[in-house]
Amino acid sequence: QVQLQESGPGLVKPSGTLSLTCAVSGDSISSSVWWSWVRLPPGKGLEWIGEIYHSGSTYYNPSLRSRVTISMDKSKNQFSLNLISMTAADTAVYYCARGAVQGYYFDYWGQGTLVTVSS
Amino acid sequence: DIQMTQSPSSLSASVRDRVTITCRASQSISNYLNWYQQKPGKAPKLLIYAASILQSGVPSRFSASGSGTDFTLTISSLQPEDFATYYCQQSYTTPRTFGGGTKVEIK
Repeated sequence: QVQLQESGPGLVKPSGTLSLTCAVSGDSISSSVWWSWVRLPPGKGLEWIGEIYHSGSTYYNPSLRSRVTISMDKSKNQFSLNLISMTAADTAVYYCARGAVQGYYFDYWGQGTLVTVSS
Repeated sequence: DIQMTQSPSSLSASVRDRVTITCRASQSISNYLNWYQQKPGKAPKLLIYAASILQSGVPSRFSASGSGTDFTLTISSLQPEDFATYYCQQSYTTPRTFGGGTKVEIK
């Protein structure tokens, strides 16, 4: 059974940097799937942040591209999200998810982690 | 970016009702359309992928259809556990975009 688990701080100061990690079990981070980050701001809908392939190729949401980096650590079977220059608008529940290569649908998700931007 | 528009944004229905949710893409996305169910405090759950293929383990009362720009999700007989928010998502191209969601509430 594939499982994903997010970890990271629940509180980030304005202008600070968010660093989240998604630990993957039941699948290899080197398998032919996309590893993705999605967020859910309070009272709003889901927003795709970006994704990384086992080759290291990445795609980012243009609305966040200047601030986001997604990377992977194959030795730890995990991938990470870095988001700089955080503002209150970045307050959200952040999910990691696995994206199927054929169809690009998200079939497995982490439980999500709430990140609040506040001083 | 491809814009995904869901309607309605919310609806009230009773157990055993038939419920239909629509999703429209701002340009043709072929059949690269997926549907998710999300309950409060939980991660989204994949229901349907490639416009009409039921994900393993999802009850058969869920069905979906469409191609191009217009898609529908149907719940044939609403059950108590189906009260949730439903999202469509296009996977035709990046950025991968979601609809605004449809909240299905108890009447």
